[in-house]
This record gives sequence, C-alpha cells and structure tokens, in this order.
Amino acid sequence: GAVVSQHPSRVICKSGTSVKIECRSLDFQATTMFWYRQFPKKSLMLMATSNEGSKATYEQGVEKDKFLINHASLTLSTLTVTSAHPEDSSFYICSARDYNSYNEQFFGPGTRLTVL
Amino acid sequence: DAKTTQPPSMDCAEGRAANLPCNHSTISGNEYVYWYRQIHSQGPQYIIHGLKNNETNEMASLIITEDRKSSTLILPHATLRDTAVYYCIVRVANTGNQFYFGTGTSLTVIP
Repeated sequence: GAVVSQHPSRVICKSGTSVKIECRSLDFQATTMFWYRQFPKKSLMLMATSNEGSKATYEQGVEKDKFLINHASLTLSTLTVTSAHPEDSSFYICSARDYNSYNEQFFGPGTRLTVL
Repeated sequence: DAKTTQPPSMDCAEGRAANLPCNHSTISGNEYVYWYRQIHSQGPQYIIHGLKNNETNEMASLIITEDRKSSTLILPHATLRDTAVYYCIVRVANTGNQFYFGTGTSLTVIP
C-alpha cells in the first residue's frame, strides 16, 4: 500500500513554544490529508481536513488559530501547534487520501508531542 | 457515517481464532464496513473492508450478516503481534471522506 510519513516521530518542547509536524505522502499525490489527535487510552479524534491549495476545515471545538494547517503541495501537509501548553501533549496522526487507489486513506505513524 | 458498537476488550489464546464483533445497526446501503487496527503508539493499519459479501485477505476474514447490521472480523490464527486495538468503521467508500473512529476493541493475545 501507499506510504505516509510523519516528522518528527516524537518531540518535546517547552510551554509557550510552537511545534511543526510534517505529514508526507511518499509515493502518491494527496490533495486531501486529515489530522487526528489521540490522548492516552482514547480513540483517534479528527481535528481537521487539509486540502491542497485551500484553507483547512476544522472539526467543531478545534481552535484553528492554535492548530495551523498548511497544505502547500500535493505531498506535504503541516500542522503547527502554536503556543503549546501541557494539555496539548498528545499523539498526532495524519492520513492521506489517494485518488488513484479508490480514494482510500493511508495513515502515518504518528508524532508524539510532549509539552513541558 | 453510521455509528458502531464494539466490546471494549477481548482476550484470545495464541494460535486460536480471534473473532471480533461489531454492531452497525444504522448502516446505510452505500456504506462499507472497514476494519483498522492500532498497535500501541503507531498509526492505524488497514485490515479489510467490505460491503455485503464476506471478504478474505492475507490478514483476516470479514463476515457481514445478511441484514448488514453487524459484522465479525476473524483473525484465523492469532499471534502475540496481533495484540492491538481494533476499530470497526462504517463509511461510504470511494468518497475519500474522513474516518470517525469509535472506541474500538482492545484485543490481547495470550501466550
């Protein structure tokens, strides 16, 4: 199947700093990518839908000014957690949609964010 | 997308078949049943999906009832590496819509 990567795999930062997470589709073009967040022992919660060349669509309750999403190319979407606080510590997962594979989605390995 | 109901946890002896049930009584005619699993601290892994016929691949089999209101994922010979959280999701296929994950079933394969 298609491969989606995320970078970094884990990051530790100080409270108040901003952190950028990259999601790349390695062997296909993805006009749409999705960002999820997962707290310990909880399920994945969809945060936003990222569309190449346009603004992201955020799920209800997700602060768009805090979680900045940029999808500038067909293979890269970035999630920036601005002014991170300890409560933002979580496992962030992206997925990418492959139009050439019946619109199926492929998930990245996730990024573990710890805010001190 | 329709909601699904799964038992929160299950155990299975290594080498035996693991049968994971899922209820989706409000599924629509054009919605598929998808199964993903998530091993600790990794991204979800696709297992299988189907519409109404039973499906089988190298990982598992999917049995969907005739009324499509429930399904069962079968891992024929569970190994320790199959210990994971298994998610059953119903979604219209080929639309590229987002997945909404439920709570899943935490499967523990016991030696």
